[in-house]
Amino acid sequence: GQQVMQIPQYQHVQEGEDFTTYCNSSTTLSNIQWYKQRPGGHPVFLIQLVKSGEVKKQKRLTFQFGEAKKNSSLHITATQTTDVGTYFCAGGTSYGKLTFGQGTILTVHP
Amino acid sequence: DTAVSQTPKYLVTQMGNDKSIKCEQNLGHDTMYWYKQDSKKFLKIMFSYNNKELIINETVPNRFSPKSPDKAHLNLHINSLELGDSAVYFCASSLRPNEKLFFGSGTQLSVL
Repeated sequence: GQQVMQIPQYQHVQEGEDFTTYCNSSTTLSNIQWYKQRPGGHPVFLIQLVKSGEVKKQKRLTFQFGEAKKNSSLHITATQTTDVGTYFCAGGTSYGKLTFGQGTILTVHP
Repeated sequence: DTAVSQTPKYLVTQMGNDKSIKCEQNLGHDTMYWYKQDSKKFLKIMFSYNNKELIINETVPNRFSPKSPDKAHLNLHINSLELGDSAVYFCASSLRPNEKLFFGSGTQLSVL
């Protein structure tokens, strides 16, 4: 079946450092979504990418979708303590199934 | 108003008991889901319903039975609870399958 691998599992950074999490799918995706889950909270939708090679920005966050639509990344510039949480990618297929990556747990030290 | 609400928030019970978790969404979405999140934060889909019809039924023990009485509700009943069922269960909805998910606040299930 479809697998979505996400790395790293954990990332510890100093406030102000950059952070990147990567997602790779075993199959071509129709779209990729990114979610953030704060400690003790529920996943919250950040963005969806659908086009090959697409790049989208949200303030300090940059999302990319690979040319082959099998990988994606989320990059945060100059992390802040409010960025702490678990970041998930979720790959969508043409038959309507969304598969989540394992998530990257980000801690930011002030 | 909470968009996706699930109850209870916490559920502590003994092994062997039967319990239910309820979920309701007021977003007018056609698709609803149950996800299980284990202690390592891994989110695994269990079931998905579209217009009250089961469309995703992952490899889940048949002790877990979803029920969708209408498009706005998706409940999860668990029979003969086991220690390994302890996890956070999230309900979610989307306008259509594969689209942006709105999650409920989760139900922390602890089986003793």
